[in-house]
Amino acid sequence: EADIYQTPRYLVIGTGKKITLECSQTMGHDKMYWYQQDPGMELHLIHYSYGVNSTEKGDLSSESTVSRIRTEHFPLTLESARPSHTSQYLCASTRITGELFFGEGSRLTVL
Amino acid sequence: ILNVEQSPQSLHVQEGDSTNFTCSFPSSNFYALHWYRWETAKSPEALFVMTLNGDEKKKGRISATLNTKEGYSYLYIKGSQPEDSATYLCAFISTGGFKTIFGAGTRLFVKA
Repeated sequence: EADIYQTPRYLVIGTGKKITLECSQTMGHDKMYWYQQDPGMELHLIHYSYGVNSTEKGDLSSESTVSRIRTEHFPLTLESARPSHTSQYLCASTRITGELFFGEGSRLTVL
Repeated sequence: ILNVEQSPQSLHVQEGDSTNFTCSFPSSNFYALHWYRWETAKSPEALFVMTLNGDEKKKGRISATLNTKEGYSYLYIKGSQPEDSATYLCAFISTGGFKTIFGAGTRLFVKA
């Protein structure tokens, strides 16, 4: 079983609030990713990191930001949440084979 | 534009039925093809990592084949059980940057 954890699992907040979605892994993986998924749609990469102090934007434009100060920790922040940010956010990490290990996801609803 | 298509979008079968799904992907710049199973309220878990044309992988009642020349992979489930109910995702990994592109998934419902 993968050791990658996301909190919170569910979050309902009002427009304009700042939120941080936490992601931690205990596998020592250098590569970490954030995906966004709307119901019935593909997972879209919004951010990735190849190691400490490395962050890049993914294929899908996102107003969120990420940081990677420690290998095991890859939080995602929205400075001012809007209803269009309502979605599921999945964190993942990889080892050398490229197989992704996922967290259980954070389902965000912005009212 | 890299596109990964999965069909069908959803599938309802009876317990004991065998079933299969398709994943279509670009036939150029191939690096690997992954299959994941995603059960409700859980995290997606890797089923297979496939890298060679003609690869066949098997895990219990689930197996997968890969054709990189024509750009498709099949996932087979023999004798479906209710616990097989999940969304099955395929992911194409390309060379040159090693992008991972996901399909939208096939949602399988197995009725007891």
